[in-house]
Amino acid sequence: GAVVSQHPSRVICKSGTSVKIECRSLDFQATTMFWYRQFPKQSLMLMATSNEGSKATYEQGVEKDKFLINHASLTLSTLTVTSAHPEDSSFYICSASAGLDYEQYFGPGTRLTVT
Amino acid sequence: DAKTTQPTSMDCAEGRAANLPCNHSTISGNEYVYWYRQIHSQGPQYIIHGLKNNETNEMASLIITEDRKSSTLILPHATLRDTAVYYCIVRAASGTYKYIFGTGTRLKVLA
Repeated sequence: GAVVSQHPSRVICKSGTSVKIECRSLDFQATTMFWYRQFPKQSLMLMATSNEGSKATYEQGVEKDKFLINHASLTLSTLTVTSAHPEDSSFYICSASAGLDYEQYFGPGTRLTVT
Repeated sequence: DAKTTQPTSMDCAEGRAANLPCNHSTISGNEYVYWYRQIHSQGPQYIIHGLKNNETNEMASLIITEDRKSSTLILPHATLRDTAVYYCIVRAASGTYKYIFGTGTRLKVLA
């Protein structure tokens, strides 16, 4: 299957700082990328959908000014958690697909801990 | 809300077939059934998907009932490495195309 990477795999930051997470599709062009969040012992929750070159579409309840998403190329999307707080600590997972009608391939996830 | 219902957990003996059911009674005609699995602290792994017909690949088989209201994922010879949470997802073939994850089935393969 297609390969999607995320960087970093783990990050610890102090409350009030910003953190950027990168998601890359390594062997295909990802027209669409998705960002999810997963709390311990819970399922994945979709945060936003982004198409290359356009603004992300956020799910209800997700603050777009807090979770900045950029999908500037067909192989890279970034999620920036601004002014992070302890309640933002979670497992963030991205996925990429070659188009809306294609299956999603998931990255390995990034564990964010805000102290 | 998720459009699928799955048992919370299942056990399977190593080497035996694991049959994981999924109920999607409100599925629409243009919606696909996707299966993924997530091993602890990793991203979900794509397994298989289908619309109406049964599907098979190197990982698993997907059996979809004729009325499409339920499906079964079959791992023909389960190994310890198949221990994971398995998610059945219904995805539209148009519009947003997004996945809504349900709670999944925690499969434990026993030695």
